[in-house]
Amino acid sequence: DTEVTQTPKHLVMGMTNKKSLKCEQHMGHRAMYWYKQKAKKPPELMFVYSYEKLSINESVPSRFSPECPNSSLLNLHLHALQPEDSALYLCASSQVQQQIQETQYFGPGTRLLVL
Amino acid sequence: GDSVTQMEGPVTLSEEAFLTINCTYTATGYPSLFWYVQYPGEGLQLLLKATKADDKGSNKGFEATYRKETTSFHLEKGSVQVSDSAVYFCALDIIQGAQKLVFGQGTRLTINP
Repeated sequence: DTEVTQTPKHLVMGMTNKKSLKCEQHMGHRAMYWYKQKAKKPPELMFVYSYEKLSINESVPSRFSPECPNSSLLNLHLHALQPEDSALYLCASSQVQQQIQETQYFGPGTRLLVL
Repeated sequence: GDSVTQMEGPVTLSEEAFLTINCTYTATGYPSLFWYVQYPGEGLQLLLKATKADDKGSNKGFEATYRKETTSFHLEKGSVQVSDSAVYFCALDIIQGAQKLVFGQGTRLTINP
């Protein structure tokens, strides 16, 4: 099973709302990732968790708050977003091996619209 | 820094045509190279990968060979189908405490029947 699931598939929120995106995998992967993808652009890395600890934050604004409550789950908490934050948010997971490149498996994404 | 350059699209072909999508990279060290495909309205799917020089990745009729001397990883398919219409991303990975994928800009491919 190489499936990464994401909920919800679509989300519409106002600039004062608080919402959360969820990601789940049951492949035993210990690295999980959040990406943001704008239309007709490649995915941009936002955060990386390794062994449930935040290892990379690509200078993402604090209105995005990641959380990794256990090895299978990854959340992205959203608060006071701007319309320019509207995008497809992709979650991915992979094994963790030092100096050995592992394949990242992507979920289908959550399409977010901020009004 | 590390980067990936893909041929600009969009690319439009007729069914059964030969496909090449060019990809070149700049990297320090020895990255793995990947092709991901994104169908309309979906996330990314791994199409193929190669982890060292001269490796050939293949899947679903697509092939790409890791060429260290030309820093290239061109995607090819001998006979495309309408169902191959998608956006294709070339990527490399780097290890900076954790794995990071660096993507090219993507090439939109449309196959006409």
